[in-house]
Amino acid sequence: EAQVTQNPRYLITVTGKKLTVTCSQNMNHEYMSWYRQDPGLGLRQIYYSMNVEVTDKGDVPEGYKVSRKEKRNFPLILESPSPNQTSLYFCASSFGPFTGELFFGEGSRLTVL
Amino acid sequence: DQQVKQNSPSLSVQEGRISILNCDYTNSMFDYFLWYKKYPAEGPTFLISISSIKDKNEDGRFTVFLNKSAKHLSLHIVPSQPGDSAVYFCAASDEDYQLIWGAGTKLIIKP
Repeated sequence: EAQVTQNPRYLITVTGKKLTVTCSQNMNHEYMSWYRQDPGLGLRQIYYSMNVEVTDKGDVPEGYKVSRKEKRNFPLILESPSPNQTSLYFCASSFGPFTGELFFGEGSRLTVL
Repeated sequence: DQQVKQNSPSLSVQEGRISILNCDYTNSMFDYFLWYKKYPAEGPTFLISISSIKDKNEDGRFTVFLNKSAKHLSLHIVPSQPGDSAVYFCAASDEDYQLIWGAGTKLIIKP
């Protein structure tokens, strides 16, 4: 089954404790992206990757890191989480950004205390 | 400053009637527009799209209309069904091929 898998789905952590949210897709997509969803703001892009070893900042990259060592994986790293990073995070992939038809994971709800 | 705006946070429609969801944008360089649907505890899923060279695109019960002069697009769902209850996001593709998203409209279909 074609899918984008994120883990963990839910996480409560404390300020400053490094965490990684994993994202994996099995559709051989070149393009992958991370979004955060906050009430009243819709989806805001954090980082995206056009292909392996190619990553770029989105609209809200501060406090986040990503890597793209393999085509299928695109982890999101919070080196020192803060309460303002409490949010719902989505990973997405597609064959390219041009079609705009993104496939999303189910989301990871992160709470930073 | 939000470039894509969905001014109605929620909309309630009777089952069987038409649902109309609206979206306004400010950037005249947007050339591709999409609608996504999101159920609780799931990621958004693609619904329908339209290129800026068209003014209408239809797929079954779903039709998207684009009015470039007004920088406005709308999604029509006819007839509305209970399974259409969800949050609908409008998104636009900019010159860098990145998607800019609206805040979403929660559609509630009443029986």
